Amino acid sequence: DAGVIQSPRHEVTEMGQEVTLRCKPISGHNSLFWYRQTMMRGLELLIYFNNNVPIDDSGMPEDRFSAKMPNASFSTLKIQPSEPRDSAVYFCASSLGEVRPRFFGPGTRLTVL
Amino acid sequence: GDSVTQMEGPVTLSEEAFLTINCTYTATGYPSLFWYVQYPGEGLQLLLKATKADDKGSNKGFEATYRKETTSFHLEKGSVQVSDSAVYFCALSVNTGNQFYFGTGTSLTVIP
Repeated sequence: DAGVIQSPRHEVTEMGQEVTLRCKPISGHNSLFWYRQTMMRGLELLIYFNNNVPIDDSGMPEDRFSAKMPNASFSTLKIQPSEPRDSAVYFCASSLGEVRPRFFGPGTRLTVL
Repeated sequence: GDSVTQMEGPVTLSEEAFLTINCTYTATGYPSLFWYVQYPGEGLQLLLKATKADDKGSNKGFEATYRKETTSFHLEKGSVQVSDSAVYFCALSVNTGNQFYFGTGTSLTVIP
């Protein structure tokens, strides 16, 4: 079975540009999570969805960040405009409910110059 | 509040050494406990889990026992390999409030 799929795997962009990260959760999973990982701050939960509905976005750092889940098999995380401090690895994860084990994608390594 | 605390790293061991990574938890309800592993350049992978007291989770030679009396879920492996070099995360979930928490991660390096 395919796991969580993320694209792109690597993204290098310049400050001020828009960045869109994509995620396809595991089929049948109804919860989707976006995390950010940095050396300084570790693993941070940005936002999560249940049945395509955003439940908690308190971890989204600023209004520059937005996330959508238009259907059960696709989600996006957008940063507009991007800044160098957004450089990190962004992970998408999915699960069968909020407290069940979470399955992570391979991540998108974002570098903002 | 609910949380997990795991031992600070980094941990460096020689191949075939015994591994213990400590994890303790605080939870108001009856948590499920997990260990995740993150290999370099990859996402977190579920390594093992335990859903109730005295359960032992095991996978790939790793084991952890859910001990309610000491609120612990320590990860152990009898003989580590170079390929076990990774970051290990302890995590817990509680049904009350639908919460899921990760520890800060412990980096393990195994040298030949």
